[in-house]
Amino acid sequence: DQQVKQNSPSLSVQEGRISILNCDYTNSMFDYFLWYKKYPAEGPTFLISISSIKDKNEDGRFTVFLNKSAKHLSLHIVPSQPGDSAVYFCAAPGGGGSGNTGKLIFGQGTTLQVKP
Amino acid sequence: NAGVMQNPRHLVRRRGQEARLRCSPMKGHSHVYWYRQLPEEGLKFMVYLQKENIIDESGMPKERFSAEFPKEGPSILRIQQVVRGDSAAYFCASSPPGRYGYTFGSGTRLTVV
Repeated sequence: DQQVKQNSPSLSVQEGRISILNCDYTNSMFDYFLWYKKYPAEGPTFLISISSIKDKNEDGRFTVFLNKSAKHLSLHIVPSQPGDSAVYFCAAPGGGGSGNTGKLIFGQGTTLQVKP
Repeated sequence: NAGVMQNPRHLVRRRGQEARLRCSPMKGHSHVYWYRQLPEEGLKFMVYLQKENIIDESGMPKERFSAEFPKEGPSILRIQQVVRGDSAAYFCASSPPGRYGYTFGSGTRLTVV
């Protein structure tokens, strides 16, 4: 049972344009979400997060939007840069409740390619 | 302030051998997690440990896999009698208590031949 889903395996955008990466979840008990970025041969690095009490969180070029009624979140990168080319994973705490440092449930990932 | 250190980076084992993967958490982090990434898949949780305690091993295969985080030294993920299907990237992460968004190591890529 895939509780966190990223249905687009890949995305290609032009440098300077907006990248939108999508993530859907099935468990309405999730109340915190995270995005990780992963380069080849490296471990994932934390990018941005959002609590379910918010519908938007912004950090520089990165903004995450949460639509609880649709059980959908998205990561916007504006403007996109070639260095943003990586695999992006969304994740939710699987132990229940925000602040829980237990397991994370990851989506399958979306490979973003930003063309110069 | 070193990050999460995993070694070896690459490990090749023949079928039936044992694989031992090591993880040293960031300084001050007392929680360690192991994840596995199979080819073309996302990261799957395996086990969550604190010093000398296994907190959640719900993602560990029932046989051949074990993990420990001793009072002294790194966390160890052990895979006995490896099979081809164990070939994957194994990532360790650590966090301090009560924090979100833990830090991952660079992973160990296990290849079973």
